[in-house]
Amino acid sequence: EVHLLESGGGLVQPGGTLRLSCAASGFTFSGYTMSWVRQAPGKGLEWVSSSSGSGVVTHYADSVKGRFTISRDNSKDTLFLQMDNLRAEDMAIYYCAKEAIPFLESYFDYWGQGTLVTVSS
Amino acid sequence: EIVLTQSPGTLSLSPGERATLSCRASQSVSSSFLAWYQQKPGQAPRLLIYGASNRATAIPDRFSGSGSETDFTLTISRLEPEDFALYFCQQYATSPWTFGQGTKVEIK
Repeated sequence: EVHLLESGGGLVQPGGTLRLSCAASGFTFSGYTMSWVRQAPGKGLEWVSSSSGSGVVTHYADSVKGRFTISRDNSKDTLFLQMDNLRAEDMAIYYCAKEAIPFLESYFDYWGQGTLVTVSS
Repeated sequence: EIVLTQSPGTLSLSPGERATLSCRASQSVSSSFLAWYQQKPGQAPRLLIYGASNRATAIPDRFSGSGSETDFTLTISRLEPEDFALYFCQQYATSPWTFGQGTKVEIK
């Protein structure tokens, strides 16, 4: 059974830094593109970043480009999101999501339960 | 980027009724690379439909998807109590992946 468990969220001041983790199990982690998707309180979903199975190819939403860095450790089946220079508008629940088709970018067939990032002074 | 507009914002219906949710894209979504998700309060989204019309694993057949290019529809044939939730569409044809703003299906 596929399981995704996020951690690392919390309260941070504007301009601060946070690192999110997503521990995966139940599938061949290195074979799948993984993404971070966020949801601001009471709002819709926004794709943030994705990493190919190897970690070589990464993509970012314009809203986070230059501030966030996605990475993965395939030996530990873990996805990361390094978030620097955080802004109030980054406050959201951050979900780790698995893309459905091996070695391709596609829709999300499994999601974690999310971790809340609060940016406030 | 492709903007997805969902309508209506809220759908008020009774159990047993049919729900029709719309998702309109600002440009053609190639290969019908469109998905639908259901989200309940405090929960992560759950995949319902991919490729515009393919049900995901374990999704009841009362859920169906249709459409192509710029107009897509999610239909719930007969609403069950557990179907009252928020629904999002998502395109995965063109980067960046984008989502609609959601349609809330509430009990009338």
